[in-house]
Amino acid sequence: GENVEQHPSTLSVQEGDSAVIKCTYSDSASNYFPWYKQELGKGPQLIIDIRSNVGEKKDQRIAVTLNKTAKHFSLHITETQPEDSAVYFCAARTRGAGGYQKVTFGIGTKLQVIP
Amino acid sequence: EAGVVQSPRYKIIEKKQPVAFWCNPISGHNTLYWYLQNLGQGPELLIRYENEEAVDDSQLPKDRFSAERLKGVDSTLKIQPAELGDSAVYLCASSLDGGGTEAFFGQGTRLTVV
Repeated sequence: GENVEQHPSTLSVQEGDSAVIKCTYSDSASNYFPWYKQELGKGPQLIIDIRSNVGEKKDQRIAVTLNKTAKHFSLHITETQPEDSAVYFCAARTRGAGGYQKVTFGIGTKLQVIP
Repeated sequence: EAGVVQSPRYKIIEKKQPVAFWCNPISGHNTLYWYLQNLGQGPELLIRYENEEAVDDSQLPKDRFSAERLKGVDSTLKIQPAELGDSAVYLCASSLDGGGTEAFFGQGTRLTVV
């Protein structure tokens, strides 16, 4: 099955600096890579995603890049703000049992933005 | 529009006791997921439903865990008997279909087994 590795596990940045979180995946058949933000006491929320036919995607201060050859993808947050503090999960989607899509999550990165 | 609703938010039980979690997905969503999230880890799929059919329960410990989704709407996840290692957050999520549409998560149920 798919294996997703994520690092770093914790990340502290000064407000206004950039943050980068990196993930690798093992299954070359994975074709969709979502990123989730989980605030304390809440469920994960999709913030951005990228498909395997695209190398980069940007949404305001958030961007994701994908290198299919190397099987790694990254989340970039620019001009960080205190409200960006949360746990971020990368994930990879591939075809699981019964032909249905299956999502595998990384272990998460706890981002702390210091005012 | 209401999101995915889970109850209870918190549950503390003694080991060997039974416990049940309830999930009401977003209206119209055919696919429902139950995930287990251990502290400091990402969510791990326990079971996935397409309408009332469990299409992927390969990661569900069937000796003590069971789930149902009667009528293809809300769902219940049960543990009987609970063990200390079951302490975790149980997340429910739903999506329009299983073809890759976005999954929306509930707030989860934090279970503590003492």
